[in-house]
Amino acid sequence: EVQLVESGGGLVNPGGSLRLSCAASGFTFSSFNMNWVRQAPGKGLEWVSSINSRSTYIYNADSVKGRFTISRDNAKNSLYLQMNSLRAEDTAVYYCAREGAAAGDFDYWGQGTLVTVSS
Amino acid sequence: DIQMTQSPSSLSASVGDRVTITCQASQDISNYLNWYQQKAGKAPKLLIYDASNLQTGVPSRFSGSGSGTDFTLIISSLQPEDIATYYCQQYDNIPRTFGQGTKVEIK
Repeated sequence: EVQLVESGGGLVNPGGSLRLSCAASGFTFSSFNMNWVRQAPGKGLEWVSSINSRSTYIYNADSVKGRFTISRDNAKNSLYLQMNSLRAEDTAVYYCAREGAAAGDFDYWGQGTLVTVSS
Repeated sequence: DIQMTQSPSSLSASVGDRVTITCQASQDISNYLNWYQQKAGKAPKLLIYDASNLQTGVPSRFSGSGSGTDFTLIISSLQPEDIATYYCQQYDNIPRTFGQGTKVEIK
């Protein structure tokens, strides 16, 4: 069974940093592209960042460029999101999502981890 | 960026009703369109990929159609467990973009 479990969320001051992790199991992690998608409270879904299976291609939303860094460790079946210079508007539930074999669709999602940026 | 516009933003229908949700892209995205269902407090779930392909395990009352700029998600007979918000998402271009969502409620 495919499982994605996020961790690392919490309360952080504006300008602070946080590192999210996503532990993957039940599939060959090294064969799939992975993504972070976020959802602000009461709002819709926003794609944040994408990394391909071998970390050779990385894409970021303009809203996080220069502040967030996606990475992965295929040996540890883990996906990460380093978030720096956090702003109030980064407050959201952050989901890790596997990109399906057909590419472009997010076929499995974690349960999400809440990041709150507030003083 | 490609803008995805869903309509309606919300709807109320009776059990057994046919429900139609539309999604319009700001430019031609071929069939690079997915649909997700998100129940309250839960992660989204993939329903339809490539505009019209049903994800494994999704009930056959869900169907998708369209290509180019105009797409449709249909629930042929609304069930109480279909209460959720539905999102379309394009993957023709980076950034991947979602519609604003359509909230489906039972009348």
